[in-house]
Amino acid sequence: DIQMTQSPSSVSASVGERVTITCRASQGIRNYLAWFQQKPGKAPKSLIYSASTLQSEVPSKFSGSGSGTDFTLTISSLQPEDSATYYCQQYDIYPFTFGPGTKVDIK
Amino acid sequence: QVQLQESGPGLVRPSETLSLMCSVSGDSISNYYWTWIRQPAGKGLEWIGHFIITGKTNYNPSLKSRVTVSVDTSKNQISLRLDSVTAADTAVYYCAGASKYSDNWLDHWGQGSLVTVSS
Repeated sequence: DIQMTQSPSSVSASVGERVTITCRASQGIRNYLAWFQQKPGKAPKSLIYSASTLQSEVPSKFSGSGSGTDFTLTISSLQPEDSATYYCQQYDIYPFTFGPGTKVDIK
Repeated sequence: QVQLQESGPGLVRPSETLSLMCSVSGDSISNYYWTWIRQPAGKGLEWIGHFIITGKTNYNPSLKSRVTVSVDTSKNQISLRLDSVTAADTAVYYCAGASKYSDNWLDHWGQGSLVTVSS
């Protein structure tokens, strides 16, 4: 199975700060990488697919990059509503696997 | 707008079978690939299985011997069956869909269904 790791596991940042989350796959997954945002008690929400394509209606402060084994999710200017847990998922090779999540808090 | 709604018993006895349904409105389920995902309380997301077409479903190896995902196109529903459950199967179960006709991935999610395994 492909192992997905995320760093950091948690981050606390001020409003307006730039936040970057890294996701690493244990083997190459081309660009079959998605990012999800989950708020407490809610279903995950898709933010990005194909590593860098933003879902419609997702604000442009979110961006994704990477290919192969190393990927990043960036929030350019953190806002209170961005407080959530963020998960990456590879969907190139079965079984599809999720990263453990990164919790983003507002300082 | 595609909408998904999971339903099923909230409580299942150990060793019995967990059965959940995901009802889809707004489009035909034939236009999507379907995935079940679960999340134990306070933990991360676990991929259960991915339905492509009848006869072509991929499952998490850790659950493969116990899980079945199927669709009923006449009812526009996707089902999940998990046999011989234990307390470790207690989780919120989500269904999610991705269009067959784009590169998009899991852009449609249900609200989740909490299943507790307990006697």
